[in-house]
Amino acid sequence: QTVVTQEPSFSVSPGGTVTLTCGLSSGSVSTNYYPSWCQQTPGQAPRTLIYNTNTRSSGVPDRFSGSILGNKAALTITGAQADDESHYYCVLNMGSGIWVFGGGTQLTVL
Amino acid sequence: QVQLVESGGGVVQPGGSLRLSCAASGLSFSSNGMHWVRQAPGKGLEWVAFIRYDGSIKDYADSVKGRFTISRENSKNTLYLQMNSLRVEDTAVYYCANLLGAGWGQGTLVTVSS
Repeated sequence: QTVVTQEPSFSVSPGGTVTLTCGLSSGSVSTNYYPSWCQQTPGQAPRTLIYNTNTRSSGVPDRFSGSILGNKAALTITGAQADDESHYYCVLNMGSGIWVFGGGTQLTVL
Repeated sequence: QVQLVESGGGVVQPGGSLRLSCAASGLSFSSNGMHWVRQAPGKGLEWVAFIRYDGSIKDYADSVKGRFTISRENSKNTLYLQMNSLRVEDTAVYYCANLLGAGWGQGTLVTVSS
């Protein structure tokens, strides 16, 4: 069974730029997987930041951007702020209506 | 403003059943595919099920296939998840969501315990 991989943790300085990635245990992520990125702070429901690789959800600041980098999907945060400290999950459409979440990345801003 | 409001969670014994509901407003519900996603205590997100906008296609994670049924009633802007043969490992917060940016609900807690 294919596993969706993410960095378990990452840290960024305030004002800095960070790129989180989303890969596959076997194969490459492409736009055909319609990668989405969700943000979740402790005790809160998730919210979708990016869907269809690079489309921002309504109300999401443009410092969040999505792309394909090499063989992975990527979420880049430019000018990180303290309230960006959250868990970030990617989710991929594996085809046949099946979606799989990655294990999530805990982002620390310090 | 999109609102998705789940209800129906609670405590149930192993082998029991529950039906979750998700009332949608602020979006064209009948035009949107919808998902159920769950999160066990202290764990990450797990995709559970998907239903196409018209209900013609339904898909499930292997962990719930044959036990859970997703459905929708577009006339009532409501999504459902019928959960049968519940197991301890089904304990989680269950969210309804549109993964294409329309939004997530606040979640409803299902606890399976004897």
